[in-house]
Amino acid sequence: SQKIEQNSEALNIQEGKTATLTCNYTNYSPAYLQWYRQDPGRGPVFLLLIRENEKEKRKERLKVTFDTTLKQSLFHITASQPADSATYLCAPGGGKLIFGQGTELSVKP
Amino acid sequence: ETGVTQTPRHLVMGMTNKKSLKCEQHLGHNAMYWYKQSAKKPLELMFVYNFKEQTENNSVPSRFSPECPNSSHLFLHLHTLQPEDSALYLCASSPQRTGNGSPLHFGNGTRLTVT
Repeated sequence: SQKIEQNSEALNIQEGKTATLTCNYTNYSPAYLQWYRQDPGRGPVFLLLIRENEKEKRKERLKVTFDTTLKQSLFHITASQPADSATYLCAPGGGKLIFGQGTELSVKP
Repeated sequence: ETGVTQTPRHLVMGMTNKKSLKCEQHLGHNAMYWYKQSAKKPLELMFVYNFKEQTENNSVPSRFSPECPNSSHLFLHLHTLQPEDSALYLCASSPQRTGNGSPLHFGNGTRLTVT
């Protein structure tokens, strides 16, 4: 069955550093992959979409890569800030959108 | 705000109660979704509606009954729930079904506790 795996451990980094979150998927060939941010007690908020024919996508301090050979997406936040602390969800899609369980990121001042 | 409004934000109900969750979207979208989010688990898709027609039911128990009277409103009617149904219930909308990558716009959810 289709499986999405994100870093299960919370990621703790220092302000100003680059955060890198991983999303791996198996038994699936998604046409695109989306990333969302979720704050406690709130619904997820869409951040970025990358398609299978794109290697990399950027938006301000965010960068996403999509490697269909490795079946992996990496999500980077450069110059991280405490306000970036949240849970980040990846969602490969193509017909049906399937969510990973999310990685909790904590950026310390 | 997100453009998707869910009420109530919190709900506590007994196992014999009947209650309803409401979702309204002001984005002019044609597809609406119900998701269940339990602690430390991925979002679980429950139901999908496209142009008011139900297009997906992911083997959801009949104690959950969705209703979509128009493209802007979605309800989830609850009856005879179990304690394991306690979770955050999220409503989402998208311009069309997610097949082409349309991002989902989520509400802030209803935190449901079944006692």
